[in-house]
Amino acid sequence: EPEVTQTPSHQVTQMGQEVILRCVPISNHLYFYWYRQILGQKVEFLVSFYNNEISEKSEIFDDQFSVERPDGSNFTLKIRSTKLEDSAMYFCASLEREGRDEQFFGPGTRLTVL
Amino acid sequence: AQKITQTQPGMFVQEKEAVTLDCTYDTSDQSYGLFWYKQPSSGEMIFLIYQGSYDEQNATEGRYSLNFQKARKSANLVISASQLGDSAMYFCAMREDSGYSTLTFGKGTMLLVSP
Repeated sequence: EPEVTQTPSHQVTQMGQEVILRCVPISNHLYFYWYRQILGQKVEFLVSFYNNEISEKSEIFDDQFSVERPDGSNFTLKIRSTKLEDSAMYFCASLEREGRDEQFFGPGTRLTVL
Repeated sequence: AQKITQTQPGMFVQEKEAVTLDCTYDTSDQSYGLFWYKQPSSGEMIFLIYQGSYDEQNATEGRYSLNFQKARKSANLVISASQLGDSAMYFCAMREDSGYSTLTFGKGTMLLVSP
């Protein structure tokens, strides 16, 4: 069964460093998402991406964040200068097309900022 | 105002019994979808069940069913015949079709199943 994959599973970084979180969505999916879950809290939407551009973003997704689909398979989230409060689990999700039911989530990347 | 409210931070149930996890939602959209996801201690998000706002029948997927009461804006998850492996965090989520299919999640309910 096709699945969303994410690398790395765990990333530890120093405050102020740049990190890139990688995702490979399901191959025929068209809509891509990043969500964040701070430990013990609910999952929060960050950004959606369709047709090679951001379609929607939340207040959390400020200038420190960027997303890219550099080739036909990868979907990346970059945090330019990490802060302690960026420590969270980051989930990538993909959706086949508008109107489909299920967003498929990846296993997540746990980001720890020291 | 919260768009998704899960009022039960934790629930306990005995193995083989049924349990209901509550979820209420708030939207002015006519077209929307409601989802339940399971998050075990390993952290991944597992899709369980979906209910569309125009679906007349309650959704069912194996031991999971969604008790959808549109007028009350509630979408409770019912797990029948609980198993030890059902112990996890459960999140209710909503997709409003006026957006780009983004999901808004509730705070979750931790379910513990005891032998």
